[in-house]
Amino acid sequence: EVQLVESGGALVQPGGSLRLSCAASGFTFRNYGMSWVRQAPGKGLEWVSGIPGIGGGTHYADSLKGRLTITRDNSRDTLFLQLSSLRAEDTAIYYCAKSSSTSWNAGFDLWGQGTMVTVSS
Amino acid sequence: SYELTQPPSVSVSPGQTATINCHGDKLGDEYVYWYQQKPGQSPVLVISEDVRRPSGIPERFSGSNSDNTATLTISGTQAVDEATYYCQAWDTGTEIVFGGGTKLTVL
Repeated sequence: EVQLVESGGALVQPGGSLRLSCAASGFTFRNYGMSWVRQAPGKGLEWVSGIPGIGGGTHYADSLKGRLTITRDNSRDTLFLQLSSLRAEDTAIYYCAKSSSTSWNAGFDLWGQGTMVTVSS
Repeated sequence: SYELTQPPSVSVSPGQTATINCHGDKLGDEYVYWYQQKPGQSPVLVISEDVRRPSGIPERFSGSNSDNTATLTISGTQAVDEATYYCQAWDTGTEIVFGGGTKLTVL
């Protein structure tokens, strides 16, 4: 089955860190760019970070640069997002999304179910 | 930073045509993607690269993109189409950008 399954979301205190994972299956993971997209409660979609299939650099939303690191392990078909210096406004559902091409910036034709990150003391 | 502007809400009667616009500076120079999101669910791609319908998306969904406006059109709108729709484009060389979303109500 073609799917993305996120994990790692949790309740974390302000200033804390978290590592999210996204396990891919049913397609050749290394051939596709991947991104993280988040959605705060009751709000719209916000692109967070993207990474191409093979090679190339990583890309981040300007508002979040310096606090995120996106990586992928093509041998394990898994995407990661390291979040640091978390703030209350980072509270959101974090979705893993598959690009429709090897590029990181094409549209997203497959989404995971999301993992909830709550930043609160 | 680049911005995509959508109307917050659109209403349509069953069987009629729904039109949702997305505005951005020189948007016609970029590919636009459209997503449908129902409450409690993940987004679903309904239009790719301005006009392409992914496999499994009904023919009543269509898209266009020219100048500063991209449009999602749903012909013969059905109750099942009630959802929030987001446009998305790429701010050349920098970021992926989403519109604020349009809640489609089928009255």
